[in-house]
Amino acid sequence: DARVTQTPRHKVTEMGQEVTMRCQPILGHNTVFWYRQTMMQGLELLAYFRNRAPLDDSGMPKDRFSAEMPDATLATLKIQPSEPRDSAVYFCASGPDLSGSLYNEQFFGPGTRLTVL
Amino acid sequence: AQSVTQLGSHVSVSEGALVLLRCNYSSSVPPYLFWYVQYPNQGLQLLLKYTTGATLVKGINGFEAEFKKSETSFHLTKPSAHMSDAAEYFCAVRRDSGGSNYKLTFGKGTLLTVNP
Repeated sequence: DARVTQTPRHKVTEMGQEVTMRCQPILGHNTVFWYRQTMMQGLELLAYFRNRAPLDDSGMPKDRFSAEMPDATLATLKIQPSEPRDSAVYFCASGPDLSGSLYNEQFFGPGTRLTVL
Repeated sequence: AQSVTQLGSHVSVSEGALVLLRCNYSSSVPPYLFWYVQYPNQGLQLLLKYTTGATLVKGINGFEAEFKKSETSFHLTKPSAHMSDAAEYFCAVRRDSGGSNYKLTFGKGTLLTVNP
């Protein structure tokens, strides 16, 4: 049963510390998404990768957030320095990029719950 | 621009009762509409989707939704609730992003509680 995996599942850190969240997409999927979920804002798309290249990070605060895909099996989201307002659940999703498809389904990981004190 | 409104942040039903979760959308282009379910401490899972064709869409776990263009609605229903249906449900619409087929606008979610 292929699934998106995310580590860590929970992270508590202090303001100013660097936070790194990792995602392993489903083997064979060439699109990766990072979302943030908060009570106030709901689900927000932070970044989108296709074939490891960042195509859209317009939803991501540029000054402190960065997203990368070092290889096809790993996507990372870093926050440096972290702030209390970054407390949220961060989801990674992956999907196939099917040429000509009306919509390519996104498969979500279980999320990383981040608390910044 | 696209937007999604889910009426009722919390819906409570009895086991065996009808489930009705409401979703209204706005879209400047023909919409692609989705319902996702999120169980506690898990990621989102696609329940069903409407892109084109038949307006009554059947999904997993006995759920279905009907696309009504005149009402700009895509309500989710299930004839008989089960305890295992307790979760948060999100309606989403695909954004019109210059041909991109990946950006979704999500509603704020509806928490479904099923009482024994």
